[in-house]
Amino acid sequence: KAGVTQTPRYLIKTRGQQVTLSCSPISGHRSVSWYQQTPGQGLQFLFEYFSETQRNKGNFPGRFSGRQFSNSRSEMNVSTLELGDSALYLCASSLEWTGAHSGNTIYFGEGSWLTVV
Amino acid sequence: SQQGEEDPQALSIQEGENATMNCSYKTSINNLQWYRQNSGRGLVHLILIRSNEREKHSGRLRVTLDTSKKSSSLLITASRAADTASYFCATIGPGTALIFGKGTTLSVSS
Repeated sequence: KAGVTQTPRYLIKTRGQQVTLSCSPISGHRSVSWYQQTPGQGLQFLFEYFSETQRNKGNFPGRFSGRQFSNSRSEMNVSTLELGDSALYLCASSLEWTGAHSGNTIYFGEGSWLTVV
Repeated sequence: SQQGEEDPQALSIQEGENATMNCSYKTSINNLQWYRQNSGRGLVHLILIRSNEREKHSGRLRVTLDTSKKSSSLLITASRAADTASYFCATIGPGTALIFGKGTTLSVSS
């Protein structure tokens, strides 16, 4: 079956603009999480959605937001872009919410490369 | 914030050799998962080991977990050039999301 699908793969935005990234989880998965990867900070957790509810949130400013739809697809939005938001944004999906049980495997998509100029 | 550290940060070996990467973490965990990332690509899930397990195998991969030392190791046997990538361990604790280490960059030359 299809894996985690993220769109767009690459995009360039200007400082001050906003951006929306999309993620379609593996069929049947109800949890979607978002991570930011930068050379300096590594992989950092943004937020997790399960059954359309935000279940957990990382330490990012309010400019970063997300939502999940009834079909489990998710979007994340970054408003008022800053140069430091340039990163690879990774979406992950799993059957259950992350901490539901010890056997919950989490799968990642190919990511969306965001460059802010 | 990073959960812990991978060791070494970089590893260069010849094809056919074994590669061992270590991961340490700081807090109690439900499970630990290893991922591979090729340059510029997403994360590929390799193996999950639960906190009550000590060792798991998958093909050429062997993962061990020592919860008393808060450490894990990933062994890749008979390495191939295609194994060249960055490898990350990530832990899940009670109520937490995946917390990643900084990764080990493996280079396998033919």
